Amino acid sequence: GIQVEQSPPDLILQEGANSTLRCNFSDSVNNLQWFHQNPWGQLINLFYIPSGTKQNGRLSATTVATERYSLLYISSSQTTDSGVYFCAVVRVSGSARQLTFGSGTQLTVLP
Amino acid sequence: NAGVTQTPKFQVLKTGQSMTLQCAQDMNHEYMSWYRQDPGMGLRLIHYSVGAGITDQGEVPNGYNVSRSTTEDFPLRLLSAAPSQTSVYFCASSYLRQGSSQHFGDGTRLSIL
Repeated sequence: GIQVEQSPPDLILQEGANSTLRCNFSDSVNNLQWFHQNPWGQLINLFYIPSGTKQNGRLSATTVATERYSLLYISSSQTTDSGVYFCAVVRVSGSARQLTFGSGTQLTVLP
Repeated sequence: NAGVTQTPKFQVLKTGQSMTLQCAQDMNHEYMSWYRQDPGMGLRLIHYSVGAGITDQGEVPNGYNVSRSTTEDFPLRLLSAAPSQTSVYFCASSYLRQGSSQHFGDGTRLSIL
């Protein structure tokens, strides 16, 4: 099956710093999503981005499908950004829409 | 605007007991799925459904059953709970069309003693 690798596995930042999270995937994909899992365990949709660049406030994401990677940028980080960031890819096979998740980046933002 | 609702939020079972995890969505999504998340890992697909009356297996289906009698509901059944099924379970839904992102419930934390 498709492999999804995220880096770095852990990241500690001081409040106000910027960061870049990376997601590499091993094969062509139909969809790619970024999620934030907050300290309460909730999975929050950040971006649906199979290709191109999107921005939402302090967060932006870029996917280069031809080179099989995606980047999540967090600018001016805040303590509420802490949690685990997951990249998940979808390969449509018949009726299945299985998301294959990376193992995540654990982000800690210190005040 | 409920989205995807999972119940219960927490449950403790003894080995061999059965139970049903409930999932309901109010967005008229055709596609629904169940994932489990184990410590330090991403989510893995258990079962999915593309519409009422249609279900199929995902990556880790053993020990779980599902049914889809309505568009809104997609319950997950543990027939005989085992300690290896201790996990956090997430239900997700989306439209089937291309470009539809998946929306997740808040999860059910299940412990099997």
